[in-house]
Amino acid sequence: EAQVTQNPRYLITVTGKKLTVTCSQNMNHEYMSWYRQDPGLGLRQIYYSMNVEVTDKGDVPEGYKVSRKEKRNFPLILESPSPNQTSLYFCASRDGLAGKDYNEQFFGPGTRLTVL
Amino acid sequence: LAKTTQPISMDSYEGQEVNITCSHNNIATNDYITWYQQFPSQGPRFIIQGYKTKVTNEVASLFIPADRKSSTLSLPRVSLSDTAVYYCLVVEKAAGNKLTFGGGTRVLVKP
Repeated sequence: EAQVTQNPRYLITVTGKKLTVTCSQNMNHEYMSWYRQDPGLGLRQIYYSMNVEVTDKGDVPEGYKVSRKEKRNFPLILESPSPNQTSLYFCASRDGLAGKDYNEQFFGPGTRLTVL
Repeated sequence: LAKTTQPISMDSYEGQEVNITCSHNNIATNDYITWYQQFPSQGPRFIIQGYKTKVTNEVASLFIPADRKSSTLSLPRVSLSDTAVYYCLVVEKAAGNKLTFGGGTRVLVKP
């Protein structure tokens, strides 16, 4: 089954304790991205990656890191989490745009993070 | 940035057709219009996309007038399970087809 998986689905942690949220897709997609969703603010893009070893900042990258060492994985790293990073996080992927005008994005099930 | 404006919420009843209109006055020539659906605590799910005129798939129809400054998502014969938030997005080709989500329309289907 084609899908985007995220782990963990739920996480409660404390301020300053480094954590990683994993994201994996099995569709051989080139493009992957991370979003956070907050009440009243909608979904905002944190980071994205056009391909292996190619990453770039989205709209709200402060406090986050990402890496793209393999095509299928795109982990989100919070080196020193703070309470304002409490949010619902979504990973997404889509195919590249070579020869195409548009490709739909496939979203993961979400990771609900609480930072105390 | 092509901003979209859509109603905050809409109520409907089972079996009715739901039409959600979205305005995107500054859409660029190469931009696409796409709609996503999101259930509570789940990731958004692609519904439909189009460039102009009418597009139909097994889930919905998308109507885009000639000036492309608005679009209407039509959900035929909704059921309770169609209760969700529906996002209208302009996919900006110049921005690498980045998705910029607005507030969406919360559709409540009543029995």
